[in-house]
Amino acid sequence: GIQVEQSPPDLILQEGANSTLRCNFSDSVNNLQWFHQNPWGQLINLFYIPSGTKQNGRLSATTVATERYSLLYISSSQTTDSGVYFCAVDAGGTSYGKLTFGQGTILTVHP
Amino acid sequence: NAGVMQNPRHLVRRRGQEARLRCSPMKGHSHVYWYRQLPEEGLKFMVYLQKENIIDESGMPKERFSAEFPKEGPSILRIQQVVRGDSAAYFCASSPGGGVSNQPQHFGDGTRLSIL
Repeated sequence: GIQVEQSPPDLILQEGANSTLRCNFSDSVNNLQWFHQNPWGQLINLFYIPSGTKQNGRLSATTVATERYSLLYISSSQTTDSGVYFCAVDAGGTSYGKLTFGQGTILTVHP
Repeated sequence: NAGVMQNPRHLVRRRGQEARLRCSPMKGHSHVYWYRQLPEEGLKFMVYLQKENIIDESGMPKERFSAEFPKEGPSILRIQQVVRGDSAAYFCASSPGGGVSNQPQHFGDGTRLSIL
């Protein structure tokens, strides 16, 4: 099946810093989503981005489907950005839309 | 996460008991996915259902686990004779198209299952 690798595994920032999280995937995808899992365990849907670039406030994401990677940018980080960021992909075809998740990037933002 | 409703949020069971987890998809969604998140790990696909049909259960453990999505009512993930290793967060997601309509999946808040 499709493989999803996220980097870095851990990231520690001071409030106000910028960061880039990366997601590499091993095959073409129908769907790619970025999630933030907050300290209460809730999965927050950040972006649905199988290709192209999107922005939402301090967050933006870019997926280059032909090169099989996606980037999540966080600018002017805040302590509330702490948590785990997951990338998940749907390989299409007989995957029936099921998502394969990466192992996540654990982000800690210090005040 | 508004829209996909999971209950209970927390469930405690003793070894050997049964656990029933419920998921009501977003309005208008007829495709339901269940995922499991073991401690310190990412989410893993378990099963994909449409109304009254199991489409893909390739991620389900072979024994003790079952899922259904009846014509009326929520989808149910059932775990019989629970063991300590079943302790995890179980997430449900729904979509309108099951991968063919290029729509995102929407996730519920999960059920945290603890086995004593």
